[in-house]
Amino acid sequence: DGGITQSPKYLFRKEGQNVTLSCEQNLNHDAMYWYRQDPGQGLRLIYYSQIVNDFQKGDIAEGYSVSREKKESFPLTVTSAQKNPTAFYLCASSTGSGSLETQYFGPGTRLLVL
Amino acid sequence: AQSVTQLDSHVSVSEGTPVLLRCNYSSSYSPSLFWYVQHPNKGLQLLLKYTSAATLVKGINGFEAEFKKSETSFHLTKPSAHMSDAAEYFCVVSDEYGNKLVFGAGTILRVKS
Repeated sequence: DGGITQSPKYLFRKEGQNVTLSCEQNLNHDAMYWYRQDPGQGLRLIYYSQIVNDFQKGDIAEGYSVSREKKESFPLTVTSAQKNPTAFYLCASSTGSGSLETQYFGPGTRLLVL
Repeated sequence: AQSVTQLDSHVSVSEGTPVLLRCNYSSSYSPSLFWYVQHPNKGLQLLLKYTSAATLVKGINGFEAEFKKSETSFHLTKPSAHMSDAAEYFCVVSDEYGNKLVFGAGTILRVKS
């Protein structure tokens, strides 16, 4: 089955700890995205990548980092600099980054702070 | 800058009655517009998209939306609600460069039996 997988489903972070969320896709999509979802705020873009070895900051990139070493993988690291990391994180991909392209979403990872 | 306003944070309908979820957008260019649906603790699924072709767009599961430029609206409708339609719905506009999506705050649809 083609699709996007995110792991883990739930993740707990201790104070001062960096954690990494996994996102993998086997759709052969060039573009990948990370969003943060908070109640009543819709989704906000953290980072996006249009091609391997390249990525751009979204609207709320502070406290996060990404890498895009392989086409199918786009991991997100939530660093200790992110002071309010509790949220639902969604990864998406599309064939390209144009406005006509449909973004396909993974099932999400819920991050909680201990 | 582009923005999206979903006029109702919650909508409640009875099963078998029509659904109307309202969305207004602000854009200085001809936007692409989308509706996505999210069931609890799940990812988002595309319902339909408008890309400057027909103004009445038909989507999956019996949903449709009409693009009205004069009213800057893109309301989502369905003639008859089903219990499985209960979810959160997001109206989305593309940015002017086509690189990013801008999401509305979402409307939670409740369907009563």
